[in-house]
Amino acid sequence: GENVEQHPSTLSVQEGDSAVIKCTYSDSASNYFPWYKQELGKGPQLIIDIRSNVGEKKDQRIAVTLNKTAKHFSLHITETQPEDSAVYFCAASVGSNYQLIWGAGTKLIIKP
Amino acid sequence: DGGITQSPKYLFRKEGQNVTLSCEQNLNHDAMYWYRQDPGQGLRLIYYSQIVNDFQKGDIAEGYSVSREKKESFPLTVTSAQKNPTAFYLCASSLISGLIETQYFGPGTRLLVL
Repeated sequence: GENVEQHPSTLSVQEGDSAVIKCTYSDSASNYFPWYKQELGKGPQLIIDIRSNVGEKKDQRIAVTLNKTAKHFSLHITETQPEDSAVYFCAASVGSNYQLIWGAGTKLIIKP
Repeated sequence: DGGITQSPKYLFRKEGQNVTLSCEQNLNHDAMYWYRQDPGQGLRLIYYSQIVNDFQKGDIAEGYSVSREKKESFPLTVTSAQKNPTAFYLCASSLISGLIETQYFGPGTRLLVL
């Protein structure tokens, strides 16, 4: 079946440094790629998304890049802050019925 | 306040018991989804519904049932046939247009077995 692989599973960075999380998808028909942030005990919240007709999208300190040929996309967080500590999930659309396939998540730890 | 609400926040199930998790949205979204989240894993789709009185099984529907009698509501029942129900359950909703739309999540319900 279709799947999304996410790496790394845990990422520890110094406050102020950049963090990069990478995902690879298998369905070449995927055309929507959201990133969610989940804090402990809460539901995931969308932080940024990208569609297949663009290669990069930025929103302040957060950016997402998409390489359709290689079937991978990445989340970039610059100037990390303590409040960025959370679990981040990537997802990719699959099929034509509005479903998403999810990565296993990356626990991001920001060291003071 | 617009959004998705889930209740209860915590739910305890006894052996052989069916329990129902509530999900309500006032975003006027067409589609609603139920996911299960286990520690260290991504979200797995249980059921989804794109229109009232219609729903489809996701990847792990066995032991679960749903109904969609109203656009705003999509309750999930965890039946006694689900032998490992302990998990964090998340409800989501989205618009349906010509493109896949953002899914918005509720705060989740944590189900524990006594």
